[in-house]
Amino acid sequence: DQQVKQNSPSLSVQEGRISILNCDYTNSMFDYFLWYKKYPAEGPTFLISISSIKDKNEDGRFTVFLNKSAKHLSLHIVPSQPGDSAVYFCAASGGNNRLAFGKGNQVVVIP
Amino acid sequence: KAGVTQTPRYLIKTRGQQVTLSCSPISGHRSVSWYQQTPGQGLQFLFEYFSETQRNKGNFPGRFSGRQFSNSRSEMNVSTLELGDSALYLCASSLVPGLDNSPLHFGNGTRLTVT
Repeated sequence: DQQVKQNSPSLSVQEGRISILNCDYTNSMFDYFLWYKKYPAEGPTFLISISSIKDKNEDGRFTVFLNKSAKHLSLHIVPSQPGDSAVYFCAASGGNNRLAFGKGNQVVVIP
Repeated sequence: KAGVTQTPRYLIKTRGQQVTLSCSPISGHRSVSWYQQTPGQGLQFLFEYFSETQRNKGNFPGRFSGRQFSNSRSEMNVSTLELGDSALYLCASSLVPGLDNSPLHFGNGTRLTVT
């Protein structure tokens, strides 16, 4: 049973524009959410996280929005850069290191 | 600071054999978790160790086991290998269990192929 879902497996965006990645979850016990970026042949790299007590967290070009009532979060990357081309994973946890991951979104930033 | 180190990077085994994978966490990190990544199932949690004790276990058969040593290094073992065990096995470490201000940092994984 997939508790974290990422639809739209791939996204192409022009350099300089905004990339928006969406993630839905089903488990209401999740209270901490993370985004990871993964390049081929490397492990996932932590990008940004958000606690359920917040609805927005910003770090440089990356912003994560959380809508608890809709069990939905999104990652905004502004402006998108060619180095952002990677697979992005949404993950959720109920307060421990047991993360439930989505299946990932492939982002391609076109120069 | 060195990242999470996993050895070996690649491994080829035959069905029925057993395999041991190794993970050295970031210096100072005491929690180690293991994940399996396959194209069909994505990233799935295997188990988590802290202070040499298993704190959490995912939904994998008993053929999958692990341990953590006093220096926080960890190993996972898979016995009686099956073709379906072919996957990328990722180790991740954090300072302590619980994620706020202590997110998981992943190694580059061990690619296991079972023939």
